[in-house]
Amino acid sequence: GQNIDQPTEMTATEGAIVQINCTYQTSGFNGLFWYQQHAGEAPTFLSYNVLDGLEEKGRFSSFLSRSKGYSYLLLKELQMKDSASYLCAVRDMSNTGKLIFGQGTTLQVKP
Amino acid sequence: DGGITQSPKYLFRKEGQNVTLSCEQNLNHDAMYWYRQDPGQGLRLIYYSQIVNDFQKGDIAEGYSVSREKKESFPLTVTSAQKNPTAFYLCASSIPPQGAGNQPQHFGDGTRLSIL
Repeated sequence: GQNIDQPTEMTATEGAIVQINCTYQTSGFNGLFWYQQHAGEAPTFLSYNVLDGLEEKGRFSSFLSRSKGYSYLLLKELQMKDSASYLCAVRDMSNTGKLIFGQGTTLQVKP
Repeated sequence: DGGITQSPKYLFRKEGQNVTLSCEQNLNHDAMYWYRQDPGQGLRLIYYSQIVNDFQKGDIAEGYSVSREKKESFPLTVTSAQKNPTAFYLCASSIPPQGAGNQPQHFGDGTRLSIL
């Protein structure tokens, strides 16, 4: 079966660093995406990993270990506007572009 | 500006009624997708289309129907057979999966459907 796990909720303090984990068990793997979604809005693309290692983009970084079926999203210098849900999604091997989403992690940033 | 437009933003359905959600994109993407999102849950795939005049069922297609007569448009009909239609519906598009690489799916702003 296909399964993607993320923590349901996390809380962090403004200015701090937070790491959101994602573990996956899928029948195939063709890349992992992280999206940010503010309540009632569209998900917006944050990062993509297909090879093992760390991808850095400003305050956001994403890590992948394919052998462990594991990824994390690292958010540095947290700002209040980072309060949102963060969705982990795996693209399968079927050549359809289909994404399998985790349930999302709701991050609350406190002053 | 290129993007994906979903309408309406809010929609109410009466018992036994079919309703259609609109999704239009001007990104020249071949592939389009419909997802359903329930509170506190991730996105679940309803239908997808990789090319005009072709579409495939996703994981939760029962009670829904789609058409893909034009590259730009992928409307979703929620039929009366869908007994629990209250949810947030998201449409997405992307370049052909075979060459997608690091190109993500782009999402519209969603339609929130409720039952009267």
